Amino acid sequence: EVQLVESGGGLIQPGGSLRLSCAASGFIVSDKYMSWVRQAPGKGLEWVSIIYAGGTTYYADSVKGRFTISRDSSKNTVYLQMNSLRVEDTAVYYCARQGHQAYNFEVWGQGTTVTASS
Amino acid sequence: DIQMTQSPSSLSASVGDRVTITCRASRSISNYLNWYQQKPGKAPKLLMYDATSLQSGVPPRFSGSESGTDFTLTISSLQPEDFATYYCQQSYSPPITFGQGTRLEIK
Repeated sequence: EVQLVESGGGLIQPGGSLRLSCAASGFIVSDKYMSWVRQAPGKGLEWVSIIYAGGTTYYADSVKGRFTISRDSSKNTVYLQMNSLRVEDTAVYYCARQGHQAYNFEVWGQGTTVTASS
Repeated sequence: DIQMTQSPSSLSASVGDRVTITCRASRSISNYLNWYQQKPGKAPKLLMYDATSLQSGVPPRFSGSESGTDFTLTISSLQPEDFATYYCQQSYSPPITFGQGTRLEIK
């Protein structure tokens, strides 16, 4: 069964760091385009970052220079390292796998909540 | 960046109604347009891809169309489980962008 399971969310003070994990099963993460998408409380969906099958990465302007996406093929896991967190980074963070297109999202995790607050 | 403008932002309808949601891209995205359904507390679910292709397992009462930079999602006969929030998303190029969402409520 194809599945994504996120972990690593929590309450963090502004300026702090957190690393989210997305453990995949049923497919190989390094064969697919993998993204992080977030949703602030009561708001819409915002794409955060993508890592291509070939390893290229892209980021939304709102997180560029602060967040880093990576993967560990031995663990079949994708990560999002979040540094210099801001109050406005508070959101549910979803891991998502590409579908028929490189940039759409066919498989989603259940989400992990990040709260940046003092 | 490609902006996606979705309308309406909310919509009230009854079971059995035909409903249409519209999404406009700020520039040409070919047919790289996807639709998602999201229910409260749940992850989004892919409904349509390539503007008009139905994702596997999605009921055929959902359909999509395109005309230039304008895209529509139509639900032919609303069922109780269709009341949710719907998002369009362009998959033409990064940064990947979503519409602001349409909340479909029971009248």
